[in-house]
Amino acid sequence: GIQVEQSPPDLILQEGANSTLRCNFSDSVNNLQWFHQNPWGQLINLFYIPSGTKQNGRLSATTVATERYSLLYISSSQTTDSGVYFCAVVGSNYKLTFGKGTLLTVNP
Amino acid sequence: KAGVTQTPRYLIKTRGQQVTLSCSPISGHRSVSWYQQTPGQGLQFLFEYFSETQRNKGNFPGRFSGRQFSNSRSEMNVSTLELGDSALYLCASRGTGGSSYNEQFFGPGTRLTVL
Repeated sequence: GIQVEQSPPDLILQEGANSTLRCNFSDSVNNLQWFHQNPWGQLINLFYIPSGTKQNGRLSATTVATERYSLLYISSSQTTDSGVYFCAVVGSNYKLTFGKGTLLTVNP
Repeated sequence: KAGVTQTPRYLIKTRGQQVTLSCSPISGHRSVSWYQQTPGQGLQFLFEYFSETQRNKGNFPGRFSGRQFSNSRSEMNVSTLELGDSALYLCASRGTGGSSYNEQFFGPGTRLTVL
């Protein structure tokens, strides 16, 4: 099956800093999503981005499908951005395969 | 539109018991998938239902089963519970049309503790 690797596994920032999270995947995909898991465990949709670039406020994402990677950019980070960020992909079926996540801590 | 709902939110069971979890998808969505999240294994796919048929299944033992009703609501059942079944169980629904038909939306989860 498809392998998904996220880096870095942990990231500690000061409020106001920018960051880039990376997701590499091992095969061509039909779907790629970025999620933020809140402290209660719910996965919040950030981006549905099988290819191209999207922006939503301070967050943006880019997927280069031909090179099998995606990047999530967080600018001017805030303490509320803390949590785990997951990248997940769908291959030839409709099953989402998740990476292990990046734990982001933003300190005031 | 209301989001994906899951009940119950928390559950405590003992080994050997069985449990049933429920998931109601976003209105109009016909696909429901279930995922298990544990600290050791991360997020793993359990199964997917579409129009009352199981379309895809992950690598879990037969103690894990599910079904989907005609209104797209889904239930998942775990029989003969083991300590290792303690996890957060997440349900996701997916639309079947439009430019982002593959996008999945998750419910708040059911946190199961097996004692």
